[in-house]
Amino acid sequence: NAGVTQTPKFQVLKTGQSMTLQCAQDMNHNSMYWYRQDPGMGLRLIYYSASEGTTDKGEVPNGYNVSRLNKREFSLRLESAAPSQTSVYFCASSPLHNEQFFGPGTRLTVL
Amino acid sequence: AQSVTQLDSQVPVFEEAPVELRCNYSSSVSVYLFWYVQYPNQGLQLLLKYLSGSTLVKGINGFEAEFNKSQTSFHLRKPSVHISDTAEYFCAVSDRKNTDKLIFGTGTRLQVFP
Repeated sequence: NAGVTQTPKFQVLKTGQSMTLQCAQDMNHNSMYWYRQDPGMGLRLIYYSASEGTTDKGEVPNGYNVSRLNKREFSLRLESAAPSQTSVYFCASSPLHNEQFFGPGTRLTVL
Repeated sequence: AQSVTQLDSQVPVFEEAPVELRCNYSSSVSVYLFWYVQYPNQGLQLLLKYLSGSTLVKGINGFEAEFNKSQTSFHLRKPSVHISDTAEYFCAVSDRKNTDKLIFGTGTRLQVFP
């Protein structure tokens, strides 16, 4: 039981490049989330998916898109990366009405 | 809408001393409350949660928290800290009727010195 896995662990992009962050969970959870973590700002929700086939915007969705590919996988795409998107990105999953389980994170630097 | 305030961004403490990390929340509806811990270069893991029942909640690694509805607080305590408790601690709240989202505080960095 791997829990929540994220790939890649580290990534460096140039401004304007695109990339997709992958997330998968093997706990059969309904809900999945993408957060970004910046110093002094805690975790801010980018997008979430309450169930397969649905996605909703969180607090900071601009510049990002998501896909809930199936119940296990939830990807985050940066179409045209900007230096302001330099951050640590966390994926999480949750069974209905319960706490969230987090992946190990992806450290993204945009030059 | 809910919000969470963690009053201290950093808490330095010596090993074996007691510690309290403060968390206050704001909400117009009933809430669930959580404390998460983040060790360096890792994701967050759940320390403890308050869903209902006893207001004193015990978690992993000897931590406990007390829900105080009148003070809208959920402070985290440990009677004797270890070097290994050095980490960032996050308080979080969710609406009891709409549990899809967690609102996080900005975190408190606990630094334990020998």
